[in-house]
Order: sequence, then structure tokens, then C-alpha cells
Amino acid sequence: TQLLEQSPQFLSIQEGENLTVYCNSSSVFSSLQWYRQEPGEGPVLLVTVVTGGEVKKLKRLTFQFGDARKDSSLHITAAQPGDTGLYLCAGARSFQKLVFGTGTRLLVSP
Amino acid sequence: KAGVTQTPRYLIKTRGQQVTLSCSPISGHRSVSWYQQTPGQGLQFLFEYFSETQRNKGNFPGRFSGRQFSNSRSEMNVSTLELGDSALYLCASSLGTIGSHEQYFGPGTRLTVT
Repeated sequence: TQLLEQSPQFLSIQEGENLTVYCNSSSVFSSLQWYRQEPGEGPVLLVTVVTGGEVKKLKRLTFQFGDARKDSSLHITAAQPGDTGLYLCAGARSFQKLVFGTGTRLLVSP
Repeated sequence: KAGVTQTPRYLIKTRGQQVTLSCSPISGHRSVSWYQQTPGQGLQFLFEYFSETQRNKGNFPGRFSGRQFSNSRSEMNVSTLELGDSALYLCASSLGTIGSHEQYFGPGTRLTVT
């Protein structure tokens, strides 16, 4: 059973466009992380959100944790080719294993 | 601070053989987790070790095993390899304490079983 569903699965856009990736669950998490993975490499941690309703900004990336701590979103403004990659959300509960989302593959073309 | 290192980076094995993968965590991190990543199944959790003890385990057969040493370095072993074991195996380290869920991944070991 996949506890974290991401949408969309694939996204192909032009440089300069905006986009939003969603990460949804029926479970409550104590924290949620977002990672980006490039081909042949391991995922790289982008951000951790902990408080319901929390919004964090990382340059052109905006992350939001849902009020009920069951969902999250990642918004990218003016996407660039360097944003291309696989975006993964991951939810954490106490000492339980980290649960990863299904992933969103983003391709930004010049 | 040095990141997570994994060796080897690439490996080709034959069906039926066994393989051992190694992971060195970030200095000071006591938790090491292993994941299998395939195009079809995504990132799947194998197991987590904390202070030399297995703390969590995923839904993988007993052919997959691991251990952690006193210096937090970890090894993962897969016996009787099957074609379906071909994947990118990722190791991630974290502090492992309450609230410290951020994981830092190594570059992975690409295992190909022929």
C-alpha cells in the first residue's frame, strides 16, 4: 500500500513556466521532506516541513505543509532546465520508517 | 563534512551469486537506512540500523540482510541473486534521534544481475 501519492507523475514544461506538485496521504505525519533526484544519483534533501500550515521558500521553490499534516505541495516559479529531475516527498512518523511518495518526474525544456 | 559514500558504484553479478554493498554514513550519524529503487516500484525501504541494531524492516525476503558496525558503517548483503534484484541500491544516513528525520543519501550502487 502506497501511503503517499504524488501528482502529477510526469510533467514536461517550457523554461519560465510555473508548476505545482502535490503529495497526498490519508495518514498524519510528524514531518515531511522533499527531495530531488537526478539520474544516476541519490536523492538530495531540499526541505523539511514540520508544522501544519507551514510554508517554506527556497529561492524559486515554495513548499507548504497542509494544516492537517496529511499533504504537502511544492510550487516552482519560473522553472529552469536545472530544475529537471525526480521530485520525491517523504513522510515521517516517530521512529517508524520514512515513507516515500510515488515521485514526480519533471522535465524543463529551454 | 564528507557526505555518504557507497561502494562499489557499479556491480554486475550473475543470477544465484551473492553480493555485499557498503555504506559509510556522515560523521556523527548513527542511523543508516537502505532502499531499493527501480523504475517500476520506485523507492522501497529495505531496513534501518541504529547503533548496530535493526530498528525497522521493509517487506523484502530474507535473502536481503544487513548489519551495522560500531563506527556506524553498514553493509547490505543479498544472497542467491535474482534478475529482479537489478536496481539502484541507496543508503541514507541520519542522526536517528527523535525529530531528526532528514536523510542524506549516498550516490547509490547500481546492481545489474544477468
